[in-house]
Amino acid sequence: ETGVTQTPRHLVMGMTNKKSLKCEQHLGHNAMYWYKQSAKKPLELMFVYNFKEQTENNSVPSRFSPECPNSSHLFLHLHTLQPEDSALYLCASSRDPVQPQHFGDGTRLSIL
Amino acid sequence: AQSVSQHNHHVILSEAASLELGCNYSYGGTVNLFWYVQYPGQHLQLLLKYFSGDPLVKGIKGFEAEFIKSKFSFNLRKPSVQWSDTAEYFCAVNAHYGGATNKLIFGTGTLLAVQP
Repeated sequence: ETGVTQTPRHLVMGMTNKKSLKCEQHLGHNAMYWYKQSAKKPLELMFVYNFKEQTENNSVPSRFSPECPNSSHLFLHLHTLQPEDSALYLCASSRDPVQPQHFGDGTRLSIL
Repeated sequence: AQSVSQHNHHVILSEAASLELGCNYSYGGTVNLFWYVQYPGQHLQLLLKYFSGDPLVKGIKGFEAEFIKSKFSFNLRKPSVQWSDTAEYFCAVNAHYGGATNKLIFGTGTLLAVQP
């Protein structure tokens, strides 16, 4: 039990579909993050939210659209993805952007 | 740009062998340093961290790491590994940009396989 819950665990979608990934944390943290984990590559930071405000967009293509309605929830809206977007998407949270991050189990995304 | 290098991509050890995993980073300012571990089928979790003070940091499960500022290194060590240490280990660095957003940069990870 990590305190950070991601749904769905697996997602298969076509390039023209629209779907959303959800992340929820019950740790009382104020910062939330999206990462992309691909084989043989370092974990890539995508977005950072602190107190619901986006503070970092790491040059992520606009086909990925984050949303943070409150400090406990984080979404990643997906549309017209490419095959190279297939990866494990991890959500994390921390008390603030300096403190250690707690990770969810991830969503394994496959683009057909 | 800030980067983190883990030199060993795949390490195979026998039980009771000693472990040292290398981690170097490229940032000259103030940093916070972390080692995360991902056991098979589980989520990433914190192993240990360095913020300030004693450069020799002790973490969970008998792991320790030493911060050597002059070498920009934060190597992970364990005197005697167990089969249950089989996992992927990630070094991460959070650089302080003086008021700007901190970013946690990860290394590529080291896959450790411990043979019984």
